[in-house]
Amino acid sequence: QVQLVESGGGVVQPGRSLRLSCEASGITFSNYGMHWVRQGPGKGLEWVAVISYDGSDKYYGDSVKGRFTISRDNSKNTLYLQMNSLRPEDTAVYYCAKDVQFAIDHWGQGTLVTVSS
Amino acid sequence: QSVLTQPPSVSAAPGQKVTISCSGSTSNIGNNYVSWYQHLPGRAPKLLIYENNKRPSGIPDRFSGSKSGTSATLGITGLQTGDEADYYCGTWDSSLSAVVFGGGTRLTVL
Repeated sequence: QVQLVESGGGVVQPGRSLRLSCEASGITFSNYGMHWVRQGPGKGLEWVAVISYDGSDKYYGDSVKGRFTISRDNSKNTLYLQMNSLRPEDTAVYYCAKDVQFAIDHWGQGTLVTVSS
Repeated sequence: QSVLTQPPSVSAAPGQKVTISCSGSTSNIGNNYVSWYQHLPGRAPKLLIYENNKRPSGIPDRFSGSKSGTSATLGITGLQTGDEADYYCGTWDSSLSAVVFGGGTRLTVL
């Protein structure tokens, strides 16, 4: 079965950086686009970014554009999210998710990022 | 403020039917497929409906989706207490070049 396992979350000070990883199994990773979606405390789902199957196309939500970078290593079946210039409002559970025609058919369990001094 | 508009909450009794609306515009719902997700606290979201009205394998036919113009609707029949969750619509927005979600609807099964 499809498994998406996020890692790399934690507590970080405002202005610092953090990199999230998501290891995929049970799928031919290189065939699928992948997303990052987050949920802040008491808030709804917020889409963060998507990357195409081969990494050639990337799109970002307005709130993270210019600060976050999505990337992938298909040889390692791994998705990444490099988060720079972190703000308190970036505090959220971050989900890695698999694309199917811009719907999301599989989600990881999420990793918590807390931005606080 | 979400690009897609959903009611904050809906409620109904066990066994009854409920619908959840999702309103957008021509740049998103009007010209792209809509999907629906169920999110239980502490769990990963689950895809219920994709391409407006298709159900992934394992999703019971109590869940249905429809789209008309710039609005979409999720229907749930035979409500069960286990259906209590937050429900989100989502789609691609061609003007924003972004995936957009509704603000979410909390379903309470009384």
